[in-house]
Amino acid sequence: GEDVEQSLFLSVREGDSSVINCTYTDSSSTYLYWYKQEPGAGLQLLTYIFSNMDMKQDQRLTVLLNKKDKHLSLRIADTQTGDSAIYFCAERRDSSASKIIFGSGTRLSIRP
Amino acid sequence: NAGVTQTPKFRVLKTGQSMTLLCAQDMNHEYMYWYRQDPGMGLRLIHYSVGEGTTAKGEVPDGYNVSRLKKQNFLLGLESAAPSQTSVYFCASIPSGTGSAGELFFGEGSRLTVL
Repeated sequence: GEDVEQSLFLSVREGDSSVINCTYTDSSSTYLYWYKQEPGAGLQLLTYIFSNMDMKQDQRLTVLLNKKDKHLSLRIADTQTGDSAIYFCAERRDSSASKIIFGSGTRLSIRP
Repeated sequence: NAGVTQTPKFRVLKTGQSMTLLCAQDMNHEYMYWYRQDPGMGLRLIHYSVGEGTTAKGEVPDGYNVSRLKKQNFLLGLESAAPSQTSVYFCASIPSGTGSAGELFFGEGSRLTVL
């Protein structure tokens, strides 16, 4: 996407925490999202955070937002084999009539 | 509850042929989007629309045209297909307005191969 950046791969041991990072570009973005894509499937919304929040927790998922650095992270606690997927961050740029721009995705693999 | 429906799901074209992908949503959403997904490149925005009769260019609009004649439909056209347009295409929609988190509702994707 237009400068929404993620690392391409992450490998973690089953039971450990996974942290997937993302940097975005538009300081006026109102919402930031994390989507999950399993092999051969479409995209599933995991969670989102509004730009006036620093943190959002939802069961095993924790989203941290650093607006100053335009940095977003997704932490998955107690990572399971079912978490293997590609994770995309996305920003909603309301300065551009709600363009929603995705990062290139981080492929999470789980080691036994 | 159909949600977002894309047709066709699969298509093989020869270089130079034309085709249209149809996206239909039954949720009365204002905003609609066309993305393409290629390995290692995530989803890239092709064109989008913020309402009936309006369209705008995204990140990779070249070689594609779109139309939004009816609110529920967003068409993506390839006038002269090229092998570089081999991809999986996703349509998505969101409601507009304040108070909406803007969760994208995705179609199931259309796999296009250009030989």
